[in-house]
Amino acid sequence: NAGVIQTPRHKVTGKGQEATLWCEPISGHSAVFWYRQTIVQGLEFLTYFRNQAPIDDSGMPKERFSAQMPNQSHSTLKIQSTQPQDSAVYLCASSLGGGSYEQYFGPGTRLTVL
Amino acid sequence: AQKVTQTQTSISVVEKTTVTMDCVYETRDSSYFLFWYKQTASGEIVFLIRQDSYKKENATVGHYSLNFQKPKSSIGLIITATQIEDSAVYFCAMREAFTGSFNKLTFGAGTRLAVCP
Repeated sequence: NAGVIQTPRHKVTGKGQEATLWCEPISGHSAVFWYRQTIVQGLEFLTYFRNQAPIDDSGMPKERFSAQMPNQSHSTLKIQSTQPQDSAVYLCASSLGGGSYEQYFGPGTRLTVL
Repeated sequence: AQKVTQTQTSISVVEKTTVTMDCVYETRDSSYFLFWYKQTASGEIVFLIRQDSYKKENATVGHYSLNFQKPKSSIGLIITATQIEDSAVYFCAMREAFTGSFNKLTFGAGTRLAVCP
């Protein structure tokens, strides 16, 4: 049973370029979450999908960040005009549903913006 | 607003001993869920154990157990018979059942555990 898959594992972009991060949740999981991890801020919630519908994006920076879930097998996080402060590990997690279910995390994508 | 605090930055123990990691939380919800995760050196975040706020019995999974003290808003993680491979960063997390973004996890800052031979 494959876990959450994230690609690429590492991405280096130049300042001002676009970055697209991919996530494939565990099969059968209806909830998908994106988090960001930095040394300074720790683990921060970004956004949440349930049955592909966007439910909560309260953690997303209002500019330059967007997330989509076009089908049940993948979600993308897009960062436009990347800035050095966007450098972080971006983590995708999935769970059977909302509510009480535990979330299972992917390996993360380490984004470095030069 | 929900908040999770882990005051222990790092702990070092000798292999095969027992270690307790502290976590306190703040919430206005009457119902919430508490989780412990482990982040290995490779960066992988692994779910370990959970406690539902309405359950009085402390959760136990393998050599992980919880010390849930609801009046103190505290959820400690106890690892018995520690092994070298338990060396990792341990995160406490909470999810509220009713208030605000009730599906997101709020994490503590983490406690780095080093298990020495």
